[in-house]
Amino acid sequence: GAVVSQHPSRVICKSGTSVKIECRSLDFQATTMFWYRQFPKQSLMLMATSNEGSKATYEQGVEKDKFLINHASLTLSTLTVTSAHPEDSSFYICSARGVGNQETQYFGPGTRLLVL
Amino acid sequence: RKEVEQDPGPFNVPEGATVAFNCTYSNSASQSFFWYRQDCRKEPKLLMSVYSSGNEDGRFTAQLNRASQYISLLIRDSKLSDSATYLCVVGSGGYQKVTFGTGTKLQVIP
Repeated sequence: GAVVSQHPSRVICKSGTSVKIECRSLDFQATTMFWYRQFPKQSLMLMATSNEGSKATYEQGVEKDKFLINHASLTLSTLTVTSAHPEDSSFYICSARGVGNQETQYFGPGTRLLVL
Repeated sequence: RKEVEQDPGPFNVPEGATVAFNCTYSNSASQSFFWYRQDCRKEPKLLMSVYSSGNEDGRFTAQLNRASQYISLLIRDSKLSDSATYLCVVGSGGYQKVTFGTGTKLQVIP
C-alpha cells in the first residue's frame, strides 16, 4: 500500500515556541493532503485540507494564522504550530490522497506534540 | 445530531465469537464509506471500503443500508489481534473531505 511518513514522531517544546511537522508521501504523488488532530479518547478531527500549490482550506474553528500549512510539492506538506500552548498538545496526523485515487486516504504515523 | 455516530463500546468478546458494529450517518448525500482500524496510539489504517452491494474480505463483512443511513461491520471468528478501535468513515465522494466517527472499541478476550 501507499506509504506516508511524518516527522518528527514526537516533540516536546516550551510554551510559545513554534513546531513544524512534515508529512511526506513516499511512493506516490499526493494531490491532496489532510491534517487531523486527535485528543485522547476522541475522534480524529479534520483541521485543514491542503492541495498542492494552493492555499489550505481550514475547518471552522481552526485558526489559519496559528496552524500554518504549506503544500509546496506533490509529496510534501508541512504544518507549523505557531506559538504553541499546552492546549495544543495533541496527536497530529496527516493523510494523503493520491492522484487517481480519489477516496482512499493513507495516514502518516502521527506526531505527538506535548507543550509544556 | 453528529454527522457520523458510533457506539463507543467497549465490546468485550471471547475469541472465536462473531461481533457486529453499526454506524449511522446524517448526510443522505454521502457517497463513500469506509471502515478504518486504529490501534492504541497509532494512526488509522484502512480496513475496507464499503460498497452498495456489501462486500466481504476474509472474516470481515461490510454492508451499507442507504435507506436507513447506516453501515455495518461484521467480524467472524474473532482473533486476539482484532482488538482495536474501529472507525466508521463517511465521505461525500470525489475530492471532498471525509468525516470520522468516534470509533468503537473492540477487546477480544482469550
